[in-house]
Amino acid sequence: DAKTTQPPSMDCAEGRAANLPCNHSTISGNEYVYWYRQIHSQGPQYIIHGLKNNETNEMASLIITEDRKSSTLILPHATLRDTAVYYCIVRVLETSGSRLTFGEGTQLTVNP
Amino acid sequence: EPEVTQTPSHQVTQMGQEVILRCVPISNHLYFYWYRQILGQKVEFLVSFYNNEISEKSEIFDDQFSVERPDGSNFTLKIRSTKLEDSAMYFCASSLTGAGGYTFGSGTRLTVV
Repeated sequence: DAKTTQPPSMDCAEGRAANLPCNHSTISGNEYVYWYRQIHSQGPQYIIHGLKNNETNEMASLIITEDRKSSTLILPHATLRDTAVYYCIVRVLETSGSRLTFGEGTQLTVNP
Repeated sequence: EPEVTQTPSHQVTQMGQEVILRCVPISNHLYFYWYRQILGQKVEFLVSFYNNEISEKSEIFDDQFSVERPDGSNFTLKIRSTKLEDSAMYFCASSLTGAGGYTFGSGTRLTVV
């Protein structure tokens, strides 16, 4: 699976958009970009995933650049409960459920 | 919203003892996983399970570890002879397909003394 690079920490004001970047310059054509988050020692929580088109769900939006070498997770109106470590993971989709390889992630702190 | 349930939430065991960590995945999910996180470290993959067999395992998942789906609802992780370094948070996860997002449980904190 392709390696990802994320900033170790970011701050965001409550109510503002949080834009979390991820570089995956060695991504292959059959690899998807996944985002998970972990709120203080709880189990990781799936947020969103995509291949090349931008994706949006009730939690967030995922913007993938045209060359697919980087992506941005957008939390449109961050709340204090969005304070967490956010992981960008790139992996090949397989029918047997392949592993997720977690890196260090980005510690997002939402400030009041 | 459906949840993955793990029990117990915290288990303390003596070194060398066997432990079984239990998980109830989401009922219609077909893929099951165990991950662990040593305090202050990354979340690490242990094993994935599909169609009643292991589909992938990591180098951490040695002969001391085993998984089982004894009935239609439970998914267990057994550590035969625990070591101090097995102390960690163990997370169970499940997914409907191999491609979608996983749902993780809230974890079992295993402390080996």
